[in-house]
Amino acid sequence: NAGVTQTPKFRILKIGQSMTLQCTQDMNHNYMYWYRQDPGMGLKLIYYSVGAGITDKGEVPNGYNVSRSTTEDFPLRLELAAPSQTSVYFCASSFGGTSTDTQYFGPGTRLTVL
Amino acid sequence: DQQVKQNSPSLSVQEGRISILNCDYTNSMFDYFLWYKKYPAEGPTFLISISSIKDKNEDGRFTVFLNKSAKHLSLHIVPSQPGDSAVYFCAPGRSQGNLIFGKGTKLSVKP
Repeated sequence: NAGVTQTPKFRILKIGQSMTLQCTQDMNHNYMYWYRQDPGMGLKLIYYSVGAGITDKGEVPNGYNVSRSTTEDFPLRLELAAPSQTSVYFCASSFGGTSTDTQYFGPGTRLTVL
Repeated sequence: DQQVKQNSPSLSVQEGRISILNCDYTNSMFDYFLWYKKYPAEGPTFLISISSIKDKNEDGRFTVFLNKSAKHLSLHIVPSQPGDSAVYFCAPGRSQGNLIFGKGTKLSVKP
């Protein structure tokens, strides 16, 4: 099992550009999450999904969009990149959606917006 | 308004000694508390957890203590090893809710 994979590992964007961060899990988990981690801060939840076709906003959803067409994939879309979106982005998955369900994280995507 | 506070950004201990990482929370509705560990350039990995119905949970060298009245939990690592050097995140949550992550404490274990 590869677990949770994310691409790309690094990316530099110009202000106003768009991009999609890819996330794939091979554990047949129902729940998937996108977090961002700013320097010196904890992880903040952007969006999450409880299954294919179902997504919901987290704590900091503005400026992002998600879709979940399959169990395995949960891409995160940035439409108009802004410097405030410079961060490290982590995708995670879990079998269930309660706090007792262990979340498995990908290695992260480091995004810089200039 | 921070619901989860890890007031020590960093901690340095000698190999073989005890490491104590602290976490305070404000939301009394939290009923499950997790610790995640993160190495540089990797995603966080689950370390240990505790339910609000317990005050202690032990897993090998790692023990988590929960003091609900003080809204405080701590992670003890005994004995500390250089491989324990990482950032540790406290992440409480409600049974049916999402996790809230603290800012993390960077632990350095010196040989």
